[in-house]
Amino acid sequence: TQLLEQSPQFLSIQEGENLTVYCNSSSVFSSLQWYRQEPGEGPVLLVTVVTGGEVKKLKRLTFQFGDARKDSSLHITAAQPGDTGLYLCAGAHNYGQNFVFGPGTRLSVLP
Amino acid sequence: EAGVAQSPRYKIIEKRQSVAFWCNPISGHATLYWYQQILGQGPKLLIQFQNNGVVDDSQLPKDRFSAERLKGVDSTLKIQPAKLEDSAVYLCASSFLVELNEQYFGPGTRLTVT
Repeated sequence: TQLLEQSPQFLSIQEGENLTVYCNSSSVFSSLQWYRQEPGEGPVLLVTVVTGGEVKKLKRLTFQFGDARKDSSLHITAAQPGDTGLYLCAGAHNYGQNFVFGPGTRLSVLP
Repeated sequence: EAGVAQSPRYKIIEKRQSVAFWCNPISGHATLYWYQQILGQGPKLLIQFQNNGVVDDSQLPKDRFSAERLKGVDSTLKIQPAKLEDSAVYLCASSFLVELNEQYFGPGTRLTVT
């Protein structure tokens, strides 16, 4: 069973600051996803990355897949209170295989 | 487009009681998933259906958990009897094609077992 680690576990920052959260594993992934989950809601898919070294941008969010496809990072520029939530990464070993979720990073952006 | 619907949103039961959760996926989505999310953890897959057939139930505790999707649309997840450690949020998700792995999650049912 693949094990995904996420760091930090908790992060509290002021509005306007930049931040990076990480997702790491000893296993190689065929693809990796990032989700955001708000309290009382289900996770919402933000991005899927499949190529080693791939970088994707979604407004103020930048996602990077490691060259070896074992790790990923999510960078948020000028964080806003609306970015508050639980950020989950999920990886799959093989195409079409179910994704396994990490424990998440709980982000709080204070106004 | 309506999202994934789940009910109830909250349920409190005593240990050894039974409970059932209901999920209505997005129209046209053939694949349906049930996840368990314990506080402080990420979602863990319990069972995956493709239409009305089970694709993966390797992590479903079959001695107490059961799930069905009789007509390939709605699904129910049942726990009988419940244990304290079953306290969690139970999430349902659906996807159009399993190959795309684009899952849409419902809001979940928060179960508390006392």
